[in-house]
Amino acid sequence: SSELTQDPAVSVALGQTVRITCHGDILSKYYATWYQQKPGQAPLLVIYGDNSRPSGIPDRFSGSTSGNTGSLTITGAQAEDEADYYCSSRDNSDHHLLFGGGTKLTVL
Amino acid sequence: EVQLVESGGGLVQSGGSLRISCEVSGFTLSNYWMTRVRQAPGKGLEWVANIKRDGSEKYYVDSVKGRFTISRDSAKNSLYLQMNSLRPEDTAVYYCARGLGTTITVDYWGQGTLVTVSS
Repeated sequence: SSELTQDPAVSVALGQTVRITCHGDILSKYYATWYQQKPGQAPLLVIYGDNSRPSGIPDRFSGSTSGNTGSLTITGAQAEDEADYYCSSRDNSDHHLLFGGGTKLTVL
Repeated sequence: EVQLVESGGGLVQSGGSLRISCEVSGFTLSNYWMTRVRQAPGKGLEWVANIKRDGSEKYYVDSVKGRFTISRDSAKNSLYLQMNSLRPEDTAVYYCARGLGTTITVDYWGQGTLVTVSS
């Protein structure tokens, strides 16, 4: 079955740019979806489709795909961006969802 | 305003059963795929099941097939997950989530309900 792989942890200096990546063969077929999760809270959708942001998500969040890798970029990271980030995609069956293992982002 | 309010979680013994509910508002349940995702303590997100807009199709992760049943009642604006033959490894926060448009991609999430299975 398909898998999505993320780095467990990434850090970024306040105000700098960080890229969080997600690897999986299925991403050559489907876009990655990205969620932010802060401690004790439900996940929040931040990026979907071809770099679309839901209403209320700051434009410092952007998404991209290259080959089998999806990326979430935060340009000018803020302290409030410190959170776990999960990528997601449909799998080959088209009806099951996959999640990456998550990346813990620390803003220094 | 879209809202998903979950209830029904709790402590259950291994082998037992539990039904968790998710009452929605701010949208018409029958227009969206609905999904259940769980998160074990300190772990990542795991897709559990989803149900098509009209309830005609249901899909499950292999580890819960034959034990869990997802259902919906549009008249009550509610989504249900019946969990039978529970195991300690089913211990998790269970989230109710709505599909984005006509897709299974999740946009809105409930606050989650904790299910603890004791051995």
